[in-house]
Amino acid sequence: QSALTQPPSASGSPGQSVTISCTGASSGVLGSKYVSWYQHHPGKAPKLIIYEVTKRPSGVPDRFSGSKSGNTASLTVSGLQADDEGDYYCASYAGGNNYVFGSGTKVTV
Amino acid sequence: QVQLVQSGTEVKKPGASVKVSCKASGYTFIAYSITWVRQAPGQGLEWMGWLSVDNGNPNYAQKFQGRVSMTADTSTTTAYLELMSLTSDDTAIYYCARGAWDQKYWGQGSLVTVSS
Repeated sequence: QSALTQPPSASGSPGQSVTISCTGASSGVLGSKYVSWYQHHPGKAPKLIIYEVTKRPSGVPDRFSGSKSGNTASLTVSGLQADDEGDYYCASYAGGNNYVFGSGTKVTV
Repeated sequence: QVQLVQSGTEVKKPGASVKVSCKASGYTFIAYSITWVRQAPGQGLEWMGWLSVDNGNPNYAQKFQGRVSMTADTSTTTAYLELMSLTSDDTAIYYCARGAWDQKYWGQGSLVTVSS
């Protein structure tokens, strides 16, 4: 069981928004600025879409936004498009030089 | 441009070891750690650990302590992941990625199949 829990699935119609939560199992996880989100299509390399809680790498549209409150981080995808379908993972520094991925959320558009 | 190119598919028997390589280019190799992540069939992403390339110090996930080794050859800008005492549970795609706390650049993945 992952130290970061995500809902197994989320869905929305094109143009709508979807928000994915990522909840830490303990106070140490999600307690730093190092919270990231990745989009993953099986068989391809994961794609970094959010880092340091709210920052977007160059080339990632501003339809993707991240936030954190307490022990829960969230990713919101606005203006859903067909190619937003895929698996989304949160990830976080977990203390003691450790890193952990969330359990993953399958997004359907 | 930054590229991480991994070695190809491996098929191993239970109990054997596998060594996956990750050739980096397009940036200063020693300036960034290399992280290793795997995905077993039908499972999520799993962090295995990272290597500080500048000093060669690894940091392994507790789950893999004792049977994993992460190294790098700075002369060839290549990182290596060696996993020993393989079982069928180690069947997965193994990815290398640049950076410790967030990874913008990833290798294409290396499929390792463990089967008798």
